[in-house]
Order: sequence, then C-alpha cells, then structure tokens
Amino acid sequence: EPEVTQTPSHQVTQMGQEVILRCVPISNHLYFYWYRQILGQKVEFLVSFYNNEISEKSEIFDDQFSVERPDGSNFTLKIRSTKLEDSAMYFCASRGRRINEKLFFGSGTQLSVL
Amino acid sequence: AQSVTQPDIHITVSEGASLELRCNYSYGATPYLFWYVQSPGQGLQLLLKYFSGDTLVQGIKGFEAEFKRSQSSFNLRKPSVHWSDAAEYFCAVESNFGNEKLTFGTGTRLTIIP
Repeated sequence: EPEVTQTPSHQVTQMGQEVILRCVPISNHLYFYWYRQILGQKVEFLVSFYNNEISEKSEIFDDQFSVERPDGSNFTLKIRSTKLEDSAMYFCASRGRRINEKLFFGSGTQLSVL
Repeated sequence: AQSVTQPDIHITVSEGASLELRCNYSYGATPYLFWYVQSPGQGLQLLLKYFSGDTLVQGIKGFEAEFKRSQSSFNLRKPSVHWSDAAEYFCAVESNFGNEKLTFGTGTRLTIIP
C-alpha cells in the first residue's frame, strides 16, 4: 500500500525557534492535510490544502503557522516561533482526487518544544 | 458543526473476549464515519469507513461497525480480540461533501489482558 512519509520522526527545538515539518504525500494525491495530537488529547485538524492554496484552517492555525508545497512532491508545515504548547505529534495526510477516497496518514513527527 | 463522542476513555478486555467500542456523532445529515487505530508510536491506520448503503461495514483485522441513524451511533465491534489489538481507537466524522476535514473523538484506549 502507498505511504505518506514524514520527516523527522522526532524534533526537539527551543521555544521561539522556527521549525519545518516535512511530508511527502502519495504521488498522485491532490488534497493535503495537517493534523496534530497533543499528548493525551484527540487528533485535531489544522489545515487543508488543495490546488496550491489553503482550503480550510482551524482556529489553531494562526499566523505562526504556514504550509507550502514547494516542489510538487513535498508538503511542509512551518511554525515560525514555537511555543511550549506547540509540543505535539503532527500528522500529515493526503487524499486522491475523488470524493470518498481513503485518507492516508503519515506516521507523524513528534515535536518537543523546550 | 460536527462532533464525535467516545464515552469510554479506557477499556480492558481479556484475550479472546468480544469487544464493542462506542461512538456517537452529531451532524445534521448522514455523515461519513470512520474508525482509526493508533498503535504506540505509530500513525493512524484506517480500520473501516461508512459512506452509504449497508449499515454494517466490515473492516480490516476482523473489525466491523454498525451505523445506527436513530441512535447517531457507529460502534466498533470484534467478536474475539487478540493481544495485538491493544491500541488507541479513534472514531471520526466527515461531512458528506467529501474531501474535507475529519473531526475525531477523544479516543478509547484498549488494553488486552491474558
């Protein structure tokens, strides 16, 4: 089965630093997403991306967050100035072109902000 | 806005026993419904999904779920659990427009005892 790949699997950063989380979605997919899961809490939607622009974002996704698909294969999430409360597991997901298609999740990047 | 409730935070069952994990949703129409499993340190794996048609859906690893519109429920069942089923289980809902965000429940942690 095809896979969504996320790197790194674990990232540690100092508060106030910028981080970029990387994802390689499945190659023919068109819809891309970031979700996060704070330890012990539910998985929360952050942002969806289609046709090179954000299609929806949650309240969590404030000005400190941005997404980009720089080269047609990678899909990145940037946090400009990390806060302690940004510590979470971040999941990338992608989906094909048809409605009802399965959403594929990556294995996540554990971000620890110290 | 849609929402999902998983009333059981933690369930313990004996290996070989039957399992039912509860999920209730709130949505104005018939949503798309999903069950995901997350093993420790792993990403989210889709167990099964309901879009329309037969209200009893079969998934991977011997799991099934039944959509009950009158109860706004989508409970996950397995007739005989295996030690490898120990994991976190998430119910999720998506609006029936498709290709949109998932709203997850808070999850149910399943522990299997010998």
